Amino acid sequence: AQTVTQSQPEMSVQEAETVTLSCTYDTSESDYYLFWYKQPPSRQMILVIRQEAYKQQNATENRFSVNFQKAAKSFSLKISDSQLGDAAMYFCAYRSANQGGSEKLVFGKGTKLTVNP
Amino acid sequence: GAVVSQHPSWVICKSGTSVKIECRSLDFQATTMFWYRQFPKQSLMLMATSNEGSKATYEQGVEKDKFLINHASLTLSTLTVTSAHPEDSSFYICSASWGPSGATQPQHFGDGTRLSIL
Repeated sequence: AQTVTQSQPEMSVQEAETVTLSCTYDTSESDYYLFWYKQPPSRQMILVIRQEAYKQQNATENRFSVNFQKAAKSFSLKISDSQLGDAAMYFCAYRSANQGGSEKLVFGKGTKLTVNP
Repeated sequence: GAVVSQHPSWVICKSGTSVKIECRSLDFQATTMFWYRQFPKQSLMLMATSNEGSKATYEQGVEKDKFLINHASLTLSTLTVTSAHPEDSSFYICSASWGPSGATQPQHFGDGTRLSIL
């Protein structure tokens, strides 16, 4: 079974600075997807960024980028120029890409990000 | 973008009551819907996966008779918590996806339902 580990229960960053959230995962599959979701106090789950495992290029979405290291099974999220609105719980998630495989997401335990003004 | 509506957003009811939560995909046909439960300050725990027109697949440890899931159409799935008790109080979130298995479309989440059983 796949597992996702987020080793940082809490992180803090100064506004306008850069912060990196860690995520590692364990799988025997070769093809899969990785996601970062943001959950603000409203508790809505918002997709931040996703990465296809077969792509070597790291995904980027504006101020959000990932460092995907497939061999190391690592998928960290970098937030640049942090804003107060970035404060939230961040969940790393894994999903199989195998045809006929489960579409369910496997979530890490989350990292609470605080942005200090 | 894809929108998933979940209703109600908050419900308070007495112990022993059955509560129904609806999850609707508003602008796409959801071939698969997922139901999660989230305890305070914890991650999302998948309860079950439902495909339109077929029985839901429950995760280990989730009581099928307690949490009834119906996915009668491509735009609607419901979760009914039967004979709810205080320990069932939690935050329930649905998500929906479409396309064939292994497709790249991510899951889109509803806003969640806070269930409080007195």
